[in-house]
Amino acid sequence: ILNVEQSPQSLHVQEGDSTNFTCSFPSSNFYALHWYRWETAKSPEALFVMTLNGDEKKKGRISATLNTKEGYSYLYIKGSQPEDSATYLCAPSPGSARQLTFGSGTQLTVLP
Amino acid sequence: GAGVSQSPSNKVTEKGKDVELRCDPISGHTALYWYRQRLGQGLEFLIYFQGNSAPDKSGLPSDRFSAERTGESVSTLTIQRTQQEDSAVYLCASSLGGRVSPLHFGNGTRLTVT
Repeated sequence: ILNVEQSPQSLHVQEGDSTNFTCSFPSSNFYALHWYRWETAKSPEALFVMTLNGDEKKKGRISATLNTKEGYSYLYIKGSQPEDSATYLCAPSPGSARQLTFGSGTQLTVLP
Repeated sequence: GAGVSQSPSNKVTEKGKDVELRCDPISGHTALYWYRQRLGQGLEFLIYFQGNSAPDKSGLPSDRFSAERTGESVSTLTIQRTQQEDSAVYLCASSLGGRVSPLHFGNGTRLTVT
């Protein structure tokens, strides 16, 4: 079983604040890292798939960085809005397994 | 275009009964995954199909759980002799295959075992 840790487990921020959270995963045998956003009453939606060490991806106000050597990825949200409230999940895809193992997620609540 | 479709959206069953959950993946997606989320817990991998390869069943929690997929189309997840701990949201996802293809999730089936 792949050990995937996400922190913090939950956080509340005020509208307009910027925030970030962490996904930690085994650095050995790394292949790719997925980030998903899961809003209440909806299905998880893919944000990014990252493969290269030092890579940075951006989608609107959301961006992510990847460090494959030390086994972590950061997700950043700039100027949080209430519609950003969701659980953010990461899932590393190691070279040895075909399926994705998801972390337990960071539950973000943006207060208006 | 059409997304991943799951049915039923909700299912209430009595302990001991069998249930069958259905997933219609996106056309052309060779990979299909089943996950579940029990109350207060994260997404738990159940089973993975990729084309005609043998499925990865390593996540199935007991021999009461089984899944089938016909070619690259519909998949069914069957739970026999349901138990209360089987209550969860069962999510299906499909992708183009490969480790860098994002997963597209269905809306899930909420299973309640009474």
